[in-house]
Amino acid sequence: NAGVTQTPKFRVLKTGQSMTLLCAQDMNHEYMYWYRQDPGMGLRLIHYSVGEGTTAKGEVPDGYNVSRLKKQNFLLGLESAAPSQTSVYFCASSYSPTGGPFFGPGTRLTVL
Amino acid sequence: GENVEQHPSTLSVQEGDSAVIKCTYSDSASNYFPWYKQELGKRPQLIIDIRSNVGEKKDQRIAVTLNKTAKHFSLHITETQPEDSAVYFCAASIPGAGSYQLTFGKGTKLSVIP
Repeated sequence: NAGVTQTPKFRVLKTGQSMTLLCAQDMNHEYMYWYRQDPGMGLRLIHYSVGEGTTAKGEVPDGYNVSRLKKQNFLLGLESAAPSQTSVYFCASSYSPTGGPFFGPGTRLTVL
Repeated sequence: GENVEQHPSTLSVQEGDSAVIKCTYSDSASNYFPWYKQELGKRPQLIIDIRSNVGEKKDQRIAVTLNKTAKHFSLHITETQPEDSAVYFCAASIPGAGSYQLTFGKGTKLSVIP
């Protein structure tokens, strides 16, 4: 039981490049989330999904897109990376709106 | 939207003493309050949570209290140990039709001095 996994662990991008972060969970959770963590800012919700085929905006959605084509996967895309998107990105999942969520190990992204 | 304030931002205690971290929330509709512990370079880990129909919950050395009237909740760690040193985050969630948004505080860095 791997829990929540994220790929890649580290990535460096140049301004304007695009990339996709992959999150996978093997707990059969309905709810999945993408957060970003910046020093002194806590964890801020980017996008979330309440089930396969659904997505919704969180607190800081601008510059990001997501897809949930399979229940176990939640993808976060950056179409044109900006230095302001340098952050640590955490994926998380939960079995209900009031349980957990459980976090993945994170992806450290640097945009030059 | 919901706003969660967390205090203090840093806290140092002697090993064996107690530590208390406090959070306030703005939306009275919030009904779920988890606490996370994050060690340096690691993922946040859920350590305890409480729902709005409960006033207090305890798990060994960790307890959480909730005051719905005052809209604040607190984490209490007793008999602190060096391995309790970490950043702790509180959070609050508002229920919604098919939606779920968890708002986090900005964290408290706890240092336990041996």
